[in-house]
Amino acid sequence: DIQMTQSPSSLSASVGDRVTITCQASQDISNYLNWYQQKPGKAPKLLIYDASNLETGVPSRFSGSGSGTDFTFTISSLQPEDIATYYCQQYDNLLPTFGQGTRLEIK
Amino acid sequence: QVQLQESGPGLVKPSQTLSLTCTVSGGSISSGGYYWSWIRQHPGKGLEWIGYIYYSGSTYYNPSLKSRVTISVDTSKNQFSLKLSSVTAADTAVYYCARFPRGSWFDPWGQGTLVTVSS
Repeated sequence: DIQMTQSPSSLSASVGDRVTITCQASQDISNYLNWYQQKPGKAPKLLIYDASNLETGVPSRFSGSGSGTDFTFTISSLQPEDIATYYCQQYDNLLPTFGQGTRLEIK
Repeated sequence: QVQLQESGPGLVKPSQTLSLTCTVSGGSISSGGYYWSWIRQHPGKGLEWIGYIYYSGSTYYNPSLKSRVTISVDTSKNQFSLKLSSVTAADTAVYYCARFPRGSWFDPWGQGTLVTVSS
Protein backbone atom coordinates (compact mmCIF):
# COMPACT_ATOMS: atom_id res chain seq x y z
CA ASP A 1 0.00 0.00 0.00
CA ILE A 2 1.07 3.55 -0.63
CA GLN A 3 1.16 5.53 2.61
CA MET A 4 0.28 9.21 2.67
CA THR A 5 1.84 11.37 5.39
CA GLN A 6 -0.04 14.62 5.81
CA SER A 7 1.14 17.52 7.95
CA PRO A 8 0.44 19.28 10.12
CA SER A 9 -2.35 17.34 11.83
CA SER A 10 -3.84 20.60 13.04
CA LEU A 11 -3.32 24.23 12.24
CA SER A 12 -4.53 27.51 13.70
CA ALA A 13 -4.44 30.60 11.51
CA SER A 14 -6.00 34.05 11.24
CA VAL A 15 -8.42 35.28 8.62
CA GLY A 16 -6.41 36.50 5.66
CA ASP A 17 -3.42 34.25 6.38
CA ARG A 18 -1.78 32.07 3.80
CA VAL A 19 -2.19 28.44 4.84
CA THR A 20 -0.13 25.51 3.57
CA ILE A 21 -0.66 21.78 4.09
CA THR A 22 1.72 19.14 2.82
CA CYS A 23 1.25 15.53 1.84
CA GLN A 24 4.08 13.08 1.20
CA ALA A 25 3.64 9.75 -0.55
CA SER A 26 5.69 6.67 0.36
CA GLN A 27 6.51 6.19 -3.33
CA ASP A 28 6.24 8.08 -6.61
CA ILE A 29 2.58 8.67 -7.51
CA SER A 30 3.15 11.09 -10.39
CA ASN A 31 0.32 13.64 -10.06
CA TYR A 32 -2.31 11.16 -8.83
CA LEU A 33 -3.18 13.27 -5.82
CA ASN A 34 -6.43 14.91 -4.79
CA TRP A 35 -7.49 17.25 -1.98
CA TYR A 36 -10.80 17.31 -0.10
CA GLN A 37 -12.48 19.62 2.39
CA GLN A 38 -14.72 18.16 5.09
CA LYS A 39 -16.86 20.32 7.33
CA PRO A 40 -18.32 18.88 10.55
CA GLY A 41 -21.18 16.50 9.94
CA LYS A 42 -20.77 16.68 6.17
CA ALA A 43 -19.31 14.47 3.49
CA PRO A 44 -15.92 15.40 2.05
CA LYS A 45 -15.92 17.71 -0.95
CA LEU A 46 -13.43 17.47 -3.79
CA LEU A 47 -11.40 20.69 -4.15
CA ILE A 48 -8.31 19.80 -6.19
CA TYR A 49 -7.75 16.83 -8.51
CA ASP A 50 -4.61 15.56 -10.19
CA ALA A 51 -2.46 17.63 -7.82
CA SER A 52 -3.18 21.06 -9.25
CA ASN A 53 -6.55 21.20 -11.01
CA LEU A 54 -9.26 23.23 -9.32
CA GLU A 55 -12.66 21.55 -9.27
CA THR A 56 -15.41 23.57 -10.93
CA GLY A 57 -16.97 26.08 -8.57
CA VAL A 58 -14.15 25.99 -6.02
CA PRO A 59 -12.80 29.45 -5.11
CA SER A 60 -9.48 30.39 -6.65
CA ARG A 61 -7.88 31.00 -3.25
CA PHE A 62 -7.45 27.22 -3.10
CA SER A 63 -4.55 25.71 -5.03
CA GLY A 64 -2.41 22.61 -5.19
CA SER A 65 1.01 21.73 -6.49
CA GLY A 66 3.57 18.97 -6.55
CA SER A 67 4.39 15.70 -8.24
CA GLY A 68 6.19 12.49 -7.46
CA THR A 69 6.14 12.16 -3.68
CA ASP A 70 5.72 15.71 -2.36
CA PHE A 71 2.53 17.75 -2.64
CA THR A 72 1.29 21.06 -1.26
CA PHE A 73 -2.20 22.46 -0.73
CA THR A 74 -2.52 26.21 -0.20
CA ILE A 75 -5.23 28.63 0.81
CA SER A 76 -3.96 32.03 -0.27
CA SER A 77 -6.15 34.08 2.05
CA LEU A 78 -7.99 32.18 4.78
CA GLN A 79 -11.70 32.88 5.07
CA PRO A 80 -13.95 32.00 8.03
CA GLU A 81 -15.87 29.49 5.89
CA ASP A 82 -12.64 27.56 5.23
CA ILE A 83 -12.69 26.09 8.72
CA ALA A 84 -12.73 22.36 8.08
CA THR A 85 -10.56 19.27 7.96
CA TYR A 86 -8.58 18.75 4.77
CA TYR A 87 -7.49 15.40 3.36
CA CYS A 88 -5.18 14.36 0.59
CA GLN A 89 -5.88 11.16 -1.37
CA GLN A 90 -3.75 9.22 -3.85
CA TYR A 91 -4.96 6.78 -6.48
CA ASP A 92 -1.90 5.06 -7.89
CA ASN A 93 -2.55 1.47 -9.02
CA LEU A 94 -6.30 1.87 -8.44
CA LEU A 95 -5.82 1.41 -4.68
CA PRO A 96 -6.70 4.73 -3.10
CA THR A 97 -5.45 5.87 0.28
CA PHE A 98 -6.03 9.03 2.28
CA GLY A 99 -3.80 11.18 4.40
CA GLN A 100 -4.59 11.47 8.10
CA GLY A 101 -6.20 14.88 7.70
CA THR A 102 -5.40 18.44 8.80
CA ARG A 103 -7.84 20.20 11.09
CA LEU A 104 -7.83 23.91 10.32
CA GLU A 105 -9.01 26.37 12.98
CA ILE A 106 -9.32 30.12 13.19
CA LYS A 107 -6.93 31.81 15.59
CA GLN B 1 -26.34 16.14 -11.57
CA VAL B 2 -25.55 12.76 -10.07
CA GLN B 3 -26.56 12.28 -6.46
CA LEU B 4 -25.94 9.33 -4.13
CA GLN B 5 -27.89 8.29 -1.06
CA GLU B 6 -26.95 5.63 1.47
CA SER B 7 -29.60 3.56 3.26
CA GLY B 8 -29.63 0.71 5.73
CA PRO B 9 -29.81 -0.17 9.42
CA GLY B 10 -28.14 2.24 11.83
CA LEU B 11 -27.55 -0.45 14.42
CA VAL B 12 -25.98 -3.86 13.90
CA LYS B 13 -25.18 -6.49 16.51
CA PRO B 14 -21.64 -7.81 16.92
CA SER B 15 -20.78 -10.81 14.74
CA GLN B 16 -23.62 -9.99 12.34
CA THR B 17 -23.40 -8.62 8.80
CA LEU B 18 -23.63 -4.92 8.07
CA SER B 19 -25.65 -4.24 4.90
CA LEU B 20 -25.94 -0.87 3.18
CA THR B 21 -27.30 0.25 -0.18
CA CYS B 22 -26.38 3.30 -2.22
CA THR B 23 -28.99 4.61 -4.64
CA VAL B 24 -27.72 6.67 -7.55
CA SER B 25 -29.94 9.32 -9.11
CA GLY B 26 -29.42 11.79 -11.93
CA GLY B 27 -27.32 9.38 -13.93
CA SER B 28 -26.93 5.72 -14.83
CA ILE B 29 -24.74 3.45 -12.76
CA SER B 30 -24.02 1.64 -16.03
CA SER B 31 -22.27 4.65 -17.53
CA GLY B 32 -18.83 3.59 -18.62
CA GLY B 33 -15.76 4.99 -16.94
CA TYR B 34 -17.08 5.14 -13.42
CA TYR B 35 -16.40 2.97 -10.43
CA TRP B 36 -18.76 3.08 -7.47
CA SER B 37 -17.18 3.08 -4.06
CA TRP B 38 -17.65 2.72 -0.33
CA ILE B 39 -15.61 4.69 2.18
CA ARG B 40 -15.94 4.85 5.95
CA GLN B 41 -14.94 7.22 8.70
CA HIS B 42 -14.59 6.11 12.30
CA PRO B 43 -15.91 8.67 14.81
CA GLY B 44 -13.51 11.60 14.96
CA LYS B 45 -11.04 9.86 12.66
CA GLY B 46 -9.87 9.91 9.07
CA LEU B 47 -11.20 8.33 5.89
CA GLU B 48 -10.77 4.67 4.99
CA TRP B 49 -11.50 3.32 1.53
CA ILE B 50 -13.43 0.03 1.67
CA GLY B 51 -13.76 -0.97 -1.97
CA TYR B 52 -15.38 -0.25 -5.29
CA ILE B 53 -17.26 -1.91 -8.10
CA TYR B 54 -17.71 -1.40 -11.83
CA TYR B 55 -21.17 -1.80 -13.36
CA SER B 56 -19.99 -5.07 -14.92
CA GLY B 57 -19.46 -6.47 -11.43
CA SER B 58 -15.67 -6.22 -11.21
CA THR B 59 -14.62 -5.39 -7.67
CA TYR B 60 -11.55 -4.10 -5.83
CA TYR B 61 -11.30 -4.24 -2.05
CA ASN B 62 -9.07 -2.74 0.59
CA PRO B 63 -6.71 -5.60 1.51
CA SER B 64 -7.26 -4.90 5.21
CA LEU B 65 -11.01 -5.61 4.86
CA LYS B 66 -11.06 -7.95 1.88
CA SER B 67 -11.91 -11.12 3.81
CA ARG B 68 -15.12 -9.57 5.19
CA VAL B 69 -16.32 -7.28 2.38
CA THR B 70 -18.65 -7.90 -0.53
CA ILE B 71 -19.77 -5.13 -2.87
CA SER B 72 -22.45 -5.84 -5.45
CA VAL B 73 -24.35 -3.86 -8.07
CA ASP B 74 -27.96 -3.90 -9.26
CA THR B 75 -28.06 -1.95 -12.52
CA SER B 76 -31.84 -2.39 -12.85
CA LYS B 77 -32.33 -0.43 -9.63
CA ASN B 78 -29.36 1.89 -10.18
CA GLN B 79 -27.96 0.77 -6.84
CA PHE B 80 -24.85 -0.78 -5.40
CA SER B 81 -24.49 -2.41 -2.02
CA LEU B 82 -22.01 -3.16 0.73
CA LYS B 83 -21.92 -6.17 3.00
CA LEU B 84 -19.41 -6.36 5.84
CA SER B 85 -19.47 -9.60 7.79
CA SER B 86 -18.50 -10.49 11.34
CA VAL B 87 -18.68 -6.91 12.54
CA THR B 88 -17.27 -5.68 15.83
CA ALA B 89 -17.37 -2.35 17.64
CA ALA B 90 -14.36 -1.35 15.54
CA ASP B 91 -16.65 -1.23 12.50
CA THR B 92 -18.73 1.56 14.03
CA ALA B 93 -18.37 4.40 11.56
CA VAL B 94 -20.05 6.74 9.14
CA TYR B 95 -20.27 4.91 5.82
CA TYR B 96 -20.20 6.91 2.61
CA CYS B 97 -20.81 5.89 -0.96
CA ALA B 98 -19.16 7.86 -3.75
CA ARG B 99 -18.55 7.83 -7.47
CA PHE B 100 -14.95 7.09 -8.41
CA PRO B 101 -14.38 8.22 -12.00
CA ARG B 102 -11.80 6.01 -13.73
CA GLY B 103 -10.41 5.09 -10.34
CA SER B 104 -9.19 8.61 -9.64
CA TRP B 105 -11.05 10.88 -7.22
CA PHE B 106 -14.24 10.51 -5.22
CA ASP B 107 -16.99 12.81 -6.42
CA PRO B 108 -19.81 13.18 -5.63
CA TRP B 109 -20.36 11.64 -2.21
CA GLY B 110 -23.51 10.57 -0.45
CA GLN B 111 -24.37 12.31 2.80
CA GLY B 112 -23.15 9.35 4.82
CA THR B 113 -24.89 7.06 7.28
CA LEU B 114 -23.79 6.22 10.79
CA VAL B 115 -23.69 2.52 11.59
CA THR B 116 -23.20 1.55 15.21
CA VAL B 117 -22.17 -1.97 16.17
CA SER B 118 -23.56 -2.77 19.56
CA SER B 119 -25.58 -5.45 21.31
